[in-house]
Amino acid sequence: DQQVKQNSPSLSVQEGRISILNCDYTNSMFDYFLWYKKYPAEGPTFLISISSIKDKNEDGRFTVFLNKSAKHLSLHIVPSQPGDSAVYFCAASGINNDMRFGAGTRLTVKP
Amino acid sequence: NAGVMQNPRHLVRRRGQEARLRCSPMKGHSHVYWYRQLPEEGLKFMVYLQKENIIDESGMPKERFSAEFPKEGPSILRIQQVVRGDSAAYFCASSPSRAGSGYTFGSGTRLTVV
Repeated sequence: DQQVKQNSPSLSVQEGRISILNCDYTNSMFDYFLWYKKYPAEGPTFLISISSIKDKNEDGRFTVFLNKSAKHLSLHIVPSQPGDSAVYFCAASGINNDMRFGAGTRLTVKP
Repeated sequence: NAGVMQNPRHLVRRRGQEARLRCSPMKGHSHVYWYRQLPEEGLKFMVYLQKENIIDESGMPKERFSAEFPKEGPSILRIQQVVRGDSAAYFCASSPSRAGSGYTFGSGTRLTVV
């Protein structure tokens, strides 16, 4: 069961522009949402999170937006840098403490 | 301050053999999670364990796969009688408590079945 969906397998943007990665979820019991970044041959690394009681969380160039009514969240990266090129996973967790991940979006930032 | 340690990094097994993947969580973390990433796919949840307890194994295949997290020592993901379709990257993560604090992932074990 695909409870967390990232419908765009890839995204390409120009350096300096905004990158917007999207994620949808189906389980209304999820109450915490996270984004992870993954480079080849490495484990995912935590990037930013948001609680369901908020609709926005910002950390430097990274901002996560949550629309609970639409069961949708997005990650904005601005300005995008070539070093941001990686696979980004959206994840969600509920009271049972385990996490479900989306299929990932491969971001390429072109110099 | 070691992170999540997984070993081996690479494991090659012939069809029918057993694979044992080990994961030592970060110091102070008592929650361990195993994920599998098949080629060109995302991270699939397999199992969530706390010390000596399996909390959620809803992502584990019904046969040949098992996991444990003993009182002492690392967590072990065991795959019996491996088949080619088991070839994947297996990631372990740990957390101190609620997942909202963010998991810390290991570098993964890449299993190749020949």
